[in-house]
Amino acid sequence: DTAVSQTPKYLVTQMGNDKSIKCEQNLGHDTMYWYKQDSKKFLKIMFSYNNKELIINETVPNRFSPKSPDKAHLNLHINSLELGDSAVYFCASSQATGRQGFGEQETQYFGPGTRLLVL
Amino acid sequence: AQTVTQSQPEMSVQEAETVTLSCTYDTSESDYYLFWYKQPPSRQMILVIRQEAYKQQNATENRFSVNFQKAAKSFSLKISDSQLGDAAMYFCAYRSVQAGTALIFGKGTTLSVSS
Repeated sequence: DTAVSQTPKYLVTQMGNDKSIKCEQNLGHDTMYWYKQDSKKFLKIMFSYNNKELIINETVPNRFSPKSPDKAHLNLHINSLELGDSAVYFCASSQATGRQGFGEQETQYFGPGTRLLVL
Repeated sequence: AQTVTQSQPEMSVQEAETVTLSCTYDTSESDYYLFWYKQPPSRQMILVIRQEAYKQQNATENRFSVNFQKAAKSFSLKISDSQLGDAAMYFCAYRSVQAGTALIFGKGTTLSVSS
């Protein structure tokens, strides 16, 4: 019954490798997000998708590529991993009404996070 | 661009006491959402409370309430009857009403609760 799930929860890998993190939501939301939490716990948006369309693409190295096969899934693929990519990556989802008064639908719900450690 | 500031990196409270976490934000928008999220050591991000900017009434959720001052751009979180399980990092976050916009987070406040 997990609303937003991510796999894997932990990922330990060597520099230069390519890895993917998967995210799935069963809330019927139309918008999904990837956030990065760095070692100082600061959270920042990376990407967001609305109905499989990329709508937010922050200044992120192009080694990071999101893919949304359908509106319930948003995956994150990382090429040529670097030490600085070590972080916790969170997936989140919400509806996107674009109107006030829809706070419940617009609230973002988070997955459990994926801790990535690059050695 | 919008910014969110949490000026208290750490706070502490005794069990059963009340504590207030501060948050200020900067925006030129009139319609937006404000949130408090809790992140315990398990790292799960848990929604604590939500405030819609057009509502003058302060949001409450059981022991959690906010003091929303729109003109002052202030959004503090009050935790009453603190419990050991409240120990966590608390993040204040801003979101535009515009569809699909992301959360903008403050740097967080680590709350410790002692018995």
